[in-house]
Amino acid sequence: KAGVTQTPRYLIKTRGQQVTLSCSPISGHRSVSWYQQTPGQGLQFLFEYFSETQRNKGNFPGRFSGRQFSNSRSEMNVSTLELGDSALYLCASSLDTAGRDTIYFGEGSWLTVV
Amino acid sequence: AQSVTQLGSHVSVSEGALVLLRCNYSSSVPPYLFWYVQYPNQGLQLLLKYTTGATLVKGINGFEAEFKKSETSFHLTKPSAHMSDAAEYFCAVSNAGGTSYGKLTFGQGTILTVHP
Repeated sequence: KAGVTQTPRYLIKTRGQQVTLSCSPISGHRSVSWYQQTPGQGLQFLFEYFSETQRNKGNFPGRFSGRQFSNSRSEMNVSTLELGDSALYLCASSLDTAGRDTIYFGEGSWLTVV
Repeated sequence: AQSVTQLGSHVSVSEGALVLLRCNYSSSVPPYLFWYVQYPNQGLQLLLKYTTGATLVKGINGFEAEFKKSETSFHLTKPSAHMSDAAEYFCAVSNAGGTSYGKLTFGQGTILTVHP
């Protein structure tokens, strides 16, 4: 069974640009969540989607947005990129959102903003 | 609100020695607790989890953890370290539903170094 797939794996963007990252969850998983990982702040929750609805959101500015499609695939978008947005962005999926279910992570998308 | 504290950002052990990585949590409701491992340039892999039931949880690669409610702890142990255990380890907490949907709160991570 394929794991969580994220594309692209690596990308470099310029300040002020926008970026879209894509995530395909494990087949059958309806919950997709996103995390940002940086050396300074560690792993921080961005948002979670379930059946195309955002059900939870972390403490990030509105420049960070996401969506989920009917096939559970998800995208996140960061507009007006800042140097501080350089990070590893991790997508994760789980069967449902009961809290106890295992959340499986992809290998991440490395974003560098220059 | 929930939080996780991992004691020690770096732990160094010799190959064959006991591994002990410490995790304390804070949660206003009964928690679900997880340990993940991250190898360089990779995502997170689940080692083990505690939801309900037996407080001693066994995971992959010989790791285990014990949920101690009175101490609000969930320390990770392995009797004998292998070189391949060198990685960064994250303790995480979640709760059932509500504002915790899909949300794991992570500790700051502990980098484990294993010396030959």
